[in-house]
Amino acid sequence: AQTVTQSQPEMSVQEAETVTLSCTYDTSESDYYLFWYKQPPSRQMILVIRQEAYKQQNATENRFSVNFQKAAKSFSLKISDSQLGDAAMYFCALSQGNKLVFGAGTILRVKS
Amino acid sequence: NAGVMQNPRHLVRRRGQEARLRCSPVKGHSHVYWYRQLPEEGLKFMVYLQKENIIDESGMPKERFSAEFPKEGPSILRIQQVVRGDSAAYFCASSPLQGGGKNIQYFGAGTRLSVL
Repeated sequence: AQTVTQSQPEMSVQEAETVTLSCTYDTSESDYYLFWYKQPPSRQMILVIRQEAYKQQNATENRFSVNFQKAAKSFSLKISDSQLGDAAMYFCALSQGNKLVFGAGTILRVKS
Repeated sequence: NAGVMQNPRHLVRRRGQEARLRCSPVKGHSHVYWYRQLPEEGLKFMVYLQKENIIDESGMPKERFSAEFPKEGPSILRIQQVVRGDSAAYFCASSPLQGGGKNIQYFGAGTRLSVL
């Protein structure tokens, strides 16, 4: 069975600094997708970034980038120039057939 | 261009009552997914539906829970005879084609069910 593990329940970062959120996963499939979703206090789930497993190049979306290590089954999210609006719960997710398997989440706090 | 709309945002029920959660997918999307989020946990898959068909209900509890996505109208997640353990946030997502990652799932803001 596919599993997703986020080992950091909570992280803090100073405004304008960089922070990295960790995620490891386990899957027996060779072709899959990985995601980071953001959940602010409004509870809305917002897609931050997506990585296709067969692509070696790490995905990037503005201040958000990933470090995808396929052999190690690691998929970390780097947030550069952190902003107050980045404060939220962040979930790592893995595609499994037609559904997504989520980690338990990491709360990110941004200090001004 | 409206996203996934869920209502109500918050639903309060007493034990033994029925809860009906509604989800209108993004216009043009014919694939709907329901997930449940218990406190302090990530989202857990419940069911995947296409119009008038349940494709995968492997995450649905065997009793009291049902889901539908009729030809017309929103998708409905129905919980009969609710118990306190059903208290959670229920999220709906939709995709234009079959999901699995190739086609992104867009999420609604969820319905928070509180069972007294």
